[in-house]
Amino acid sequence: DVKVTQSSRYLVKRTGEKVFLECVQDMDHENMFWYRQDPGLGLRLIYFSYDVKMKEKGDIPEGYSVSREKKERFSLILESASTNQTSMYLCASSLAGTLLQETQYFGPGTRLLVL
Amino acid sequence: AQTVTQSQPEMSVQEAETVTLSCTYDTSESDYYLFWYKQPPSRQMILVIRQEAYKQQNATENRFSVNFQKAAKSFSLKISDSQLGDAAMYFCAYRSALNTGTASKLTFGTGTRLQVTL
Repeated sequence: DVKVTQSSRYLVKRTGEKVFLECVQDMDHENMFWYRQDPGLGLRLIYFSYDVKMKEKGDIPEGYSVSREKKERFSLILESASTNQTSMYLCASSLAGTLLQETQYFGPGTRLLVL
Repeated sequence: AQTVTQSQPEMSVQEAETVTLSCTYDTSESDYYLFWYKQPPSRQMILVIRQEAYKQQNATENRFSVNFQKAAKSFSLKISDSQLGDAAMYFCAYRSALNTGTASKLTFGTGTRLQVTL
């Protein structure tokens, strides 16, 4: 079974702090994604990566950056956390190729509270 | 840009009954994929069912089936013989068939919370 893990289930940070959210997948997937989930808004794509060191902006990249130094790990960085970044963050991964292979597998999520 | 609309924020169904969750989408593309994802209270999202737009036959996975109406841009999910374990948030999602860059991203609807009652 594909396993996508996220470093924390819950995180509390202060405004202005630098925040790192880590995601690791164990199935050698090329694609990795970071979403944020907010009530009434569904999931919105922040960034995604289709290969090591490659990244593309999603729909809401402002205030975030990402890093993918190794294939299995995709990090989301909040350079200076703000209260409007309080949210649930979901990581996902998928194998590039056919539709069957491109099913996205999700991690358990990190609920971030910025005070 | 594509948009996905789920107009039912909450639905309720009795155990063993059938429920249909609605989803509409807007796109100018002719080839694409549609998905239903389930997010139980534990929060790990899992794929329920997927449909290729070029296929006329509706996808089915055990108790889950879809009604795909391409002309109407509608993609509803039917859950038969509902079980307590079906209680979750359900998200409809769209993916372009183009295979370049952010084309492989999913566009999600806002979700429908399904309650299953005894």
